[in-house]
Amino acid sequence: NAGVTQTPKFQVLKTGQSMTLQCAQDMNHEYMSWYRQDPGMGLRLIHYSVGAGITDQGEVPNGYNVSRSTTEDFPLRLLSAAPSQTSVYFCASSPPGTGLKDTQYFGPGTRLTVL
Amino acid sequence: GENVEQHPSTLSVQEGDSAVIKCTYSDSASNYFPWYKQELGKRPQLIIDIRSNVGEKKDQRIAVTLNKTAKHFSLHITETQPEDSAVYFCAASSNTGNQFYFGTGTSLTVIP
Repeated sequence: NAGVTQTPKFQVLKTGQSMTLQCAQDMNHEYMSWYRQDPGMGLRLIHYSVGAGITDQGEVPNGYNVSRSTTEDFPLRLLSAAPSQTSVYFCASSPPGTGLKDTQYFGPGTRLTVL
Repeated sequence: GENVEQHPSTLSVQEGDSAVIKCTYSDSASNYFPWYKQELGKRPQLIIDIRSNVGEKKDQRIAVTLNKTAKHFSLHITETQPEDSAVYFCAASSNTGNQFYFGTGTSLTVIP
């Protein structure tokens, strides 16, 4: 298993540009989520999904869209990039089953800079 | 929503000493409390977790304690080694179990 994969690893955008951060997992995990990590602020939840076709907002959803058309993929879209979205983005997934749902496995991250 | 506070923000210990990191949470309905270790430039990795029906859990040199009444939980690392140097994050789940709230991290340095 490749686990949780993210692409790209690095990205530089200009203000106003849009892009999609890709996240995929091959472990048949139902729960997937996106976080951003900023210095001194820990990880903050952007959006999450409990299964294909179901998404919901987290703590900091503004400026981001998600969709979950398959179990494997959970892309994060930046609609119009702003410098405040400069951050490291982590995707995570959790296996199904009572007692396992909470155990999150993180992807390697995408470092995004918005100029 | 949940509010998780973590202290200290930085911690330096001599190799072989113990390290303790503390977190408090605000939502009494939270029922799952994981701890993550993140090395520089790497992804967070789960090192230990505890559920609200348990007061303490231990895994070799790492232990976590939970006080539900006071709404705080702590990470204890004994016999620290240089490879324990990293940033450690605590987290608490929402009452639905679908949202996780992280502390701001503790940068631990173990001095050889």
